[in-house]
Amino acid sequence: DAGITQSPRHKVTETGTPVTLRCHQTENHRYMYWYRQDPGHGLRLIHYSYGVKDTDKGEVSDGYSVSRSKTEDFLLTLESATSSQTSVYFCAISGTEREQYFGPGTRLTVT
Amino acid sequence: QKEVEQNSGPLSVPEGAIASLNCTYSDRVSQSFFWYRQYSGKSPELIMSIYSNGDKEDGRFTAQLNKASQYVSLLIRDSQPSDSATYLCAGRDSSGGSYIPTFGRGTSLIVHP
Repeated sequence: DAGITQSPRHKVTETGTPVTLRCHQTENHRYMYWYRQDPGHGLRLIHYSYGVKDTDKGEVSDGYSVSRSKTEDFLLTLESATSSQTSVYFCAISGTEREQYFGPGTRLTVT
Repeated sequence: QKEVEQNSGPLSVPEGAIASLNCTYSDRVSQSFFWYRQYSGKSPELIMSIYSNGDKEDGRFTAQLNKASQYVSLLIRDSQPSDSATYLCAGRDSSGGSYIPTFGRGTSLIVHP
């Protein structure tokens, strides 16, 4: 497996609280991505990064922010979690603009 | 309408048969395509990539790309129950000047003994 870890792996939080998910890679890949996966919608891109401090929005970015201060870490923050953000979140990395390798995922439940 | 479309299935095939998974794409999607396999409760894993028109074989898997008809397919020969999973087709949306990955919703494959 590509060296990608996500933390936490599971989280239950209350509506209105801030939440930060972490993606860590040991592959020194340039590109990093955050997705959410929901039944009936498949994988949807939230934000992505093409270098340190270089990020851009994806298809479903509202309510999410990201930061990348080091090559190996990409953080996803929900400033004020809502029930609609209950989902499974996957981080992915890519050395080029081609194949992606996914982390194990974080299951987030907002009550 | 998504830029990459897949039939959600499930596609059910008997063990030993050929499973054929299909995907169509729009003009916005570039000519790089990928197939991922996702077991229930697990993360997607890359199984095939294809960039050129035609066929690409890797073991029991064959990816086919037809640019004229804008479809990409994955054939799994000698299907095994362990192939039962959801298969995601992905391409790259190049309309914004950079290459944004875009996924279909996935096709569920069931291989029964």
